[in-house]
Amino acid sequence: NAGVTQTPKFQVLKTGQSMTLQCAQDMNHEYMSWYRQDPGMGLRLIHYSVGAGITDQGEVPNGYNVSRSTTEDFPLRLLSAAPSQTSVYFCASSYSTGVPRTDTQYFGPGTRLTVL
Amino acid sequence: AQSVAQPEDQVNVAEGNPLTVKCTYSVSGNPYLFWYVQYPNRGLQFLLKYITGDNLVKGSYGFEAEFNKSQTSFHLKKPSALVSDSALYFCAVNAGNNRKLIWGLGTSLAVNP
Repeated sequence: NAGVTQTPKFQVLKTGQSMTLQCAQDMNHEYMSWYRQDPGMGLRLIHYSVGAGITDQGEVPNGYNVSRSTTEDFPLRLLSAAPSQTSVYFCASSYSTGVPRTDTQYFGPGTRLTVL
Repeated sequence: AQSVAQPEDQVNVAEGNPLTVKCTYSVSGNPYLFWYVQYPNRGLQFLLKYITGDNLVKGSYGFEAEFNKSQTSFHLKKPSALVSDSALYFCAVNAGNNRKLIWGLGTSLAVNP
């Protein structure tokens, strides 16, 4: 298994540009999520999905869109990049969608995004 | 509201000495607690979790954590630190009907040779 994969690893954008961060998992996990990691702020949840066709907002959804057309893929779209979106982005997946959340999350290697 | 605190931004320990990384939490209901580790320029990796049962949980790489309900703590420990343990450690908590894990801000562990 490749686990959770993310592309690209690095990206530089200019303000106002749009782009899509790719995330894929081959573990047949129903739950997928996107986090951003910023110094001194830990991990913040952007969006998450409990299955194909179902997405919901996390703590910091503004400026980002997601879709989940298949179980495997969960792309994150930046609509109009801003310097405040400079961050490291992690995708994560887990098997269960139940609450409370008791299962292990598997993280991708991250995408380091810089917006100029 | 649920919350988790890691009171130390950084912990320094000499190789071979025991290490402790602290985590305290506040939730309504039974807590489910996790530790993850992040090595430089890598994604987070699962270390261990407490769901129910024995308060002492053993995990990967020789780490363990003790759930203390009265002190609302879940401190991560290792009897003998290695230089390769140097990393960023995150505590997370979940409870009840919340689909979202609550994450601590992380503690940077430096193990000195």
